[in-house]
Amino acid sequence: QSALTQPRSVSGSPGQSVTISCTGTSSDVGGYNYVSWYQQHPGKAPKLMIYDVSKRPSGVPDRFSGSKSGNTASLTISGLQAEDEADYCCCSYAGSYTPLVFGGGTKLTVL
Amino acid sequence: EVQLVESGGGLVQPGGSLRLSCAASGFSFSTYSMDWVRQAPGKGLEWVSYISSSSTTIYYADSVKGRFTNSRDNAKNSLYLQMNSLRAEDTAVYYCARGFGYWAMDVWGKGTTVTVSS
Repeated sequence: QSALTQPRSVSGSPGQSVTISCTGTSSDVGGYNYVSWYQQHPGKAPKLMIYDVSKRPSGVPDRFSGSKSGNTASLTISGLQAEDEADYCCCSYAGSYTPLVFGGGTKLTVL
Repeated sequence: EVQLVESGGGLVQPGGSLRLSCAASGFSFSTYSMDWVRQAPGKGLEWVSYISSSSTTIYYADSVKGRFTNSRDNAKNSLYLQMNSLRAEDTAVYYCARGFGYWAMDVWGKGTTVTVSS
């Protein structure tokens, strides 16, 4: 199972919005509504930000939103804040043989 | 407090074995599926293995299939990863994570480091 494709880096200024893409295939992202997104600060464990494409766990600010179109999922962060600077990684269900596949990760820089 | 604590990492020679443990507390461990996820130095996350709440279903990434064994002891609130025939490419921080909904992971440990080197 190949890793999902994410841009290596994105950047934005405080208050702006950024969108991170996550491209897979019809066997993973396109085939199921089970895409999740994780935030990871350096040296820390990942944190769940979005699940089931667009749902937010309790405690995650509504500045974070998720969507999907075809084989590409997206994470949008609006009203960027300095503490949003981190790595973001997508993950998708990919069927019962090897059920989960991650993206390569995207480094978000808040300018 | 809901918590996962990994242990058992270390330095091992190629071809060697290690057993990782993950101790769960603050939630009903026996009702949750669990995953192992690893992160090689400077790299992204890689899913390693899934185990259902009652151990009836276990999945592995192709990269570890036949070498790693995922298991759990619900009476001890513990998850294990037996790693055999270790390779340099298995060098990573290994995280255990609690399953959430359908195929997400909402609680993560801090990780344990495995280094495979001669």
